[in-house]
Order: sequence, then C-alpha cells, then structure tokens
Amino acid sequence: EDKVVQSPLSLVVHEGDTVTLNCSYEVTNFRSLLWYKQEKKAPTFLFMLTSSGIEKKSGRLSSILDKKELFSILNITATQTGDSAIYLCAGGQMNSGGYQKVTFGIGTKLQVIP
Amino acid sequence: NAGVTQTPKFQVLKTGQSMTLQCAQDMNHEYMSWYRQDPGMGLRLIHYSVGAGITDQGEVPNGYNVSRSTTEDFPLRLLSAAPSQTSVYFCATRAWENRAYGYTFGSGTRLTVV
Repeated sequence: EDKVVQSPLSLVVHEGDTVTLNCSYEVTNFRSLLWYKQEKKAPTFLFMLTSSGIEKKSGRLSSILDKKELFSILNITATQTGDSAIYLCAGGQMNSGGYQKVTFGIGTKLQVIP
Repeated sequence: NAGVTQTPKFQVLKTGQSMTLQCAQDMNHEYMSWYRQDPGMGLRLIHYSVGAGITDQGEVPNGYNVSRSTTEDFPLRLLSAAPSQTSVYFCATRAWENRAYGYTFGSGTRLTVV
C-alpha cells in the first residue's frame, strides 16, 4: 500500500525560528514529491521535486529530496505568522494504466506565534 | 482566468438526499480529479478523469459518481448521502510543467450530512 508519512503532526514556534518539516514516502513507481501549503481553503503549490540532492528554494522556504532514503524535508527560515498553515506532502506516481496518481500525507500543522 | 471553480462552498444534506458538486476549470487541463479531506486522513482521491469521456476510480469511490462530457466540467454526484460523506471536497486539475505534473486545487466544498 502506498503511503506518505509526515512529521511532526503539529508544531508551535516563535517568529524568527527555523523549522524543518519531514516527509517520508513509500510509493510504487515514484515520479515526484510535492509540497503544498494549506491555509483556510485550498492547498497551494510550493515545490515539486524529482531529483535527489537538488535543493529548491523560494524565499525563506526550501526543500530537498533523498530518493535513496525515501524522504524529503521542507525548511522555513525566519518564520513569520503568515507561515501558519498545514503543510502537505504528496508522492506522485505512475499507476498501471500509465496515469499519475498522487498520495497525500495528512499534513503538518504549523503555528507561528509572535 | 478563474482557474478551478467549485460550487457550492457549503452544503448541508439530509441522509439519503442526492446532490451534485460542481467543478469547472478554464485552463484547458485534460486531467481533473476529486479529493475528500478528513481530519487525520489527509487528501484521498475519489475519482479522476484524463479527458472528456474518460473517468476512473480513485482510492475511495463508493457512493460517488462522476462524468466528463466536456474538458471544462467535472461534476461529482452523491447518490444517497450518508453521514460518513461529511467532509471537505476539493477538485483539482493537473498540467505538465517543468518536466513534472503540477496540481491546481479549487477552493473546496464543505459538506455536512445530517
């Protein structure tokens, strides 16, 4: 059974702290690792990772994938209250029909307090 | 360019009632999908479509029907609502970009079945 496990499930930090969110995956025919930020409504796309060891950055957020150890991390430096959200990790894979499916983790709830 | 539009945003149904959740996109994406999101369960795929006239089941299809008569629309039908279908429902499209698939989510429909 395909699964994506995120840790921690929840996290409370102070503004300015640096946080690391973890995602491990076991998906067949793995193609990509996706990170999303979900505030009040729909998830919004952060990163897509397909190659090991290549860090992707967007402002204070960065992410890296380790395809040998089957995990990814999402780092947020100098956190702000606007970073408070649920962060979702997902494994993209090809199914037997040749179509990609995505398996989501349950998310890490991050709360940044002033 | 509205992206992915879901209606309604909120709905309360009685057990046994039927209804249709609407999803429309203006990005000309071939792939569309429906997810439900429940606490502690993450996002789970209900049904998906790879183009007009083609649909397939996802992880949790029971109690739901879909059809795809046009590229733009992908409605989700609840045949006989049950309390277990109380959830937040997201429609998502997918497009190939930067050598991998990226997903765009609608804003969600919060459904309560009493």
